[in-house]
Amino acid sequence: DTEVTQTPKHLVMGMTNKKSLKCEQHMGHRAMYWYKQKAKKPPELMFVYSYEKLSINESVPSRFSPECPNSSLLNLHLHALQPEDSALYLCASSPSRGVGSYEQYFGPGTRLTVT
Amino acid sequence: GQNIDQPTEMTATEGAIVQINCTYQTSGFNGLFWYQQHAGEAPTFLSYNVLDGLEEKGRFSSFLSRSKGYSYLLLKELQMKDSASYLCAAGMGTDKLIFGTGTRLQVFP
Repeated sequence: DTEVTQTPKHLVMGMTNKKSLKCEQHMGHRAMYWYKQKAKKPPELMFVYSYEKLSINESVPSRFSPECPNSSLLNLHLHALQPEDSALYLCASSPSRGVGSYEQYFGPGTRLTVT
Repeated sequence: GQNIDQPTEMTATEGAIVQINCTYQTSGFNGLFWYQQHAGEAPTFLSYNVLDGLEEKGRFSSFLSRSKGYSYLLLKELQMKDSASYLCAAGMGTDKLIFGTGTRLQVFP
């Protein structure tokens, strides 16, 4: 199984809602990532969990909150988002530390619209 | 700061060869990685270079010069399905990939 799955595929939420994005992989990878991608732009790294340790991109607003319940699962909790947060949210995983950590397997993404 | 630049768009003809360039200025550089992304889909890994030189992988090759902060992806025998965005990315620190601006390639018959 070389697949990263993400749910939901599409999400529309209001600015006062609380929602969560989910990501799962069963490849035994020990690093998982959240990226944000706006239209016609490259993915921007938001968070990294490596061996259950979180690294944060300091520019990510606190209305985004990651959670890693175990090494196969990664959640992104959303609260009080703004319309400019509308984007494709990509989850990825990678097999190991070092050079192997940069060969990342991406999920299909969640298309988020904030109204 | 970190800058990773690529041409925005390129066009080429089926069967031809195309070279997509990437220049970077980063600190803590651990290697240069190339990804392909079809419209509406997730990126998929293509190739990487840690040391200077050329890496060949079927129709795709990638080159790196660390002293010049320069890489390219070479696509041979272009096919229509190669129409996609090509993203170069710098491996930084531990586990972090910083993506370049991306190059949209259109292949015409």
